[in-house]
Amino acid sequence: QQQVKQSPQSLIVQKGGISIINCAYENTAFDYFPWYQQFPGKGPALLIAIRPDVSEKKEGRFTISFNKSAKQFSLHIMDSQPGDSATYFCAASKAGSARQLTFGSGTQLTVLP
Amino acid sequence: EAGVAQSPRYKIIEKRQSVAFWCNPISGHATLYWYQQILGQGPKLLIQFQNNGVVDDSQLPKDRFSAERLKGVDSTLKIQPAKLEDSAVYLCASASLGGGEYGYTFGSGTRLTVV
Repeated sequence: QQQVKQSPQSLIVQKGGISIINCAYENTAFDYFPWYQQFPGKGPALLIAIRPDVSEKKEGRFTISFNKSAKQFSLHIMDSQPGDSATYFCAASKAGSARQLTFGSGTQLTVLP
Repeated sequence: EAGVAQSPRYKIIEKRQSVAFWCNPISGHATLYWYQQILGQGPKLLIQFQNNGVVDDSQLPKDRFSAERLKGVDSTLKIQPAKLEDSAVYLCASASLGGGEYGYTFGSGTRLTVV
């Protein structure tokens, strides 16, 4: 019930294209869903996050779409750039857990120039 | 503000040896986490501190791993004795107000290789 499943494992996109990464969760107690971006040799950095009371959140070129009934959420990167090449992790946490994060397995994104 | 500092950046040890990692969180962050990230996987929580007390260590392999947070600031994570499967990046994170969107910052990690 704590698992967060992420797909695809790897993704190659042309510059200017749209990158889409999907996650599904099982535990309905999760109430906070962040996405983290990780570059080689660095720790994960918070990119964008959403709570289940909204279906979409947009920050610049990054958008989270959230489907509470399907227990799925996704990250869309518009106008993908080579600098976006990194590993992306979805995560989830629940109130009362002192915000421990349960991470997905990661998606390695490569944006070709 | 300064980020989460971790040292060393890299460590190579033989199996059955011991190793220790150090973390200095962001000033004022009460909550400190240690995560283990095995190559190709997402980070997995090992232990969580609130100030200098342990909140959750249910996923810490206590027969070989130990951790402490000195005076509610710096923290050390120790492995003794190390096994081959402990090869991973050990990430420290700190947070204010319980973490989440209120500020959850990771350090760059310590990459441990056990040979």
